[in-house]
Amino acid sequence: GQQVMQIPQYQHVQEGEDFTTYCNSSTTLSNIQWYKQRPGGHPVFLIQLVKSGEVKKQKRLTFQFGEAKKNSSLHITATQTTDVGTYFCAGLSSFGNEKLTFGTGTRLTIIP
Amino acid sequence: KAGVTQTPRYLIKTRGQQVTLSCSPISGHRSVSWYQQTPGQGLQFLFEYFSETQRNKGNFPGRFSGRQFSNSRSEMNVSTLELGDSALYLCASSLDRGGREQYFGPGTRLTVT
Repeated sequence: GQQVMQIPQYQHVQEGEDFTTYCNSSTTLSNIQWYKQRPGGHPVFLIQLVKSGEVKKQKRLTFQFGEAKKNSSLHITATQTTDVGTYFCAGLSSFGNEKLTFGTGTRLTIIP
Repeated sequence: KAGVTQTPRYLIKTRGQQVTLSCSPISGHRSVSWYQQTPGQGLQFLFEYFSETQRNKGNFPGRFSGRQFSNSRSEMNVSTLELGDSALYLCASSLDRGGREQYFGPGTRLTVT
């Protein structure tokens, strides 16, 4: 079945440094979504990308969808303590089963 | 609009018992999905319901079941609980099926002793 991997699994950064997490799918995706889960909280939807090569920005967050629609990345510029949490990607397969598969997640911690 | 609600929030059960968890989606949302979250396995998809029918199912044993009512509210049931079933069970609703963005509830923390 479809697998979605994320790297790195953990990332510790100094406040103010940049952060990037990468998401790779074993199959081509119709769309990719990103979620953030704060410690002790539940995943919260951030964004959805649909088009090949699409780039979207939300303030300090930049999301990219690969040309082959099999990978994606989330980049945070100048991290803040409010960015702490686990970031998940979730991919919808192109092959019609209409099931979102969540990535393994990247846990971001910030060193003040 | 009220968010997704889940009850109960916390539950402690012993091995062999069964448990029923409840989820009320956002008003107007017709799809409800259930996920199991554990530290080691991340977010694992259990099943999705839409129009009272199970549309997708993850790789979980038959002890895990669910249903959806005509008002889109959903329940999931786990029978013959095992220690490994201890997890956070998250319900997520979306407007429609087909991989739309998911709105998660706060989850039910199940501990099996």
